[in-house]
Amino acid sequence: DAGVTQSPTHLIKTRGQHVTLRCSPISGHKSVSWYQQVLGQGPQFIFQYYEKEERGRGNFPDRFSARQFPNYSSELNVNALLLGDSALYLCASSTGRTMNTEAFFGQGTRLTVV
Amino acid sequence: GQSLEQPSEVTAVEGAIVQINCTYQTSGFYGLSWYQQHDGGAPTFLSYNGLDGLEETGRFSSFLSRSDSYGYLLLQELQMKDSASYFCAVQTGANNLFFGTGTRLTVIP
Repeated sequence: DAGVTQSPTHLIKTRGQHVTLRCSPISGHKSVSWYQQVLGQGPQFIFQYYEKEERGRGNFPDRFSARQFPNYSSELNVNALLLGDSALYLCASSTGRTMNTEAFFGQGTRLTVV
Repeated sequence: GQSLEQPSEVTAVEGAIVQINCTYQTSGFYGLSWYQQHDGGAPTFLSYNGLDGLEETGRFSSFLSRSDSYGYLLLQELQMKDSASYFCAVQTGANNLFFGTGTRLTVIP
């Protein structure tokens, strides 16, 4: 069975541009969460979606948005990119509505903003 | 504010036992998770404690004391492949997860 897949794996953008990152959860998983991981730090929670509705939001500016589609895949959008947005963006899927169930992470998208 | 404290680095000998501590101060608490991440890899789930006490899964055990805002991950019979970063993460709400900065474990022969 395929695990969580994210695309693209690497991306270089210019400051001020917009970016869309994509995530396909494990088959049967209805929950998708997004995280930002800066080198040497732990993942920081951005969003959680369950059944296409936003269920949780971390402390990120409104430039960050996301959505989940009927097939439970998800997109993370970041507008007006800043140099500080350079990071590894991780997607995780799980079966549960809340975040006390095992989360399976994808390999991430490495975003570099120049 | 919210904080999670764990040691930044730990070194241990192959075959030994190591304990990684995590203390937390958060606005809400539902449970404590532990994740392992190898360099260049994705985090992988190790355990979740929603109630006080010890959870055991093979060579790994995790403990939680809600009254002390404290938990730990215990790794037994250390193997070289256990060299990785270990993160504790607090479920601060039904749908929120707050990660610590991680402990880099190095296992030496």
